[in-house]
Amino acid sequence: EIVMTQSPATLSVSPGERATLSCRASQSVSSNLAWYQQKPGQAPRLLIYGASTRATGIPARFSGSGSGTEFTLTISSLQSDDFAVYYCQQYNDWPPSFGQGTKLEIK
Amino acid sequence: EVQLVESGGGLVKPGGSLRLSCAASGFPFSTYSMNWVRQAPGKGLEWVSSISSRSSYIFYADSVQGRFTISRDNAKNSLYLQMNSLRAEDTAVYYCAGSQLVPVDWFDPWGQGTLVTVSS
Repeated sequence: EIVMTQSPATLSVSPGERATLSCRASQSVSSNLAWYQQKPGQAPRLLIYGASTRATGIPARFSGSGSGTEFTLTISSLQSDDFAVYYCQQYNDWPPSFGQGTKLEIK
Repeated sequence: EVQLVESGGGLVKPGGSLRLSCAASGFPFSTYSMNWVRQAPGKGLEWVSSISSRSSYIFYADSVQGRFTISRDNAKNSLYLQMNSLRAEDTAVYYCAGSQLVPVDWFDPWGQGTLVTVSS
């Protein structure tokens, strides 16, 4: 099974600033990487698939990059609605696997 | 509006059984593969099981293989998860989620989840 490792576990950023979240795969997943946002008490929401393609309705301030084993989710100018937990997920190999999450909190 | 609504969660004793349901609307359910993903309290996401659009292909995580059974009824736009021999470690919120492919793909859309608690 491919192990996904996210860093940092918690990221403190001020509104309006940029946030950079990292995700590393234990072996190459090509560009078969998705990012999700989850707010307390809510289901995850798909943000990015194919490592860099925004899902329908996702604002342009969210961007994804990377391939192989190293991936990044960047939120260019944080809004209050963006503070949540973010998960990466690989879908290159079975079984699909998630990172442990990065909690983005207000500084 | 795209909607997935889970039901059937609750409190069950270890060794017991439970059947979860997921009702879909607002998208072509019969053309989507469907999945169950769970989240233990305060923990991350764990894929549980997948079923292809016509039920031709079914996959399970090792942790539930032989105990859980996924099924679907396209005529009723519904997905199911029969859970037997439940253990304390099965305690989680169970989400149904759609995907385009099995056995691996990204997950979208998602339901709001139903809580399963396994405790004596």
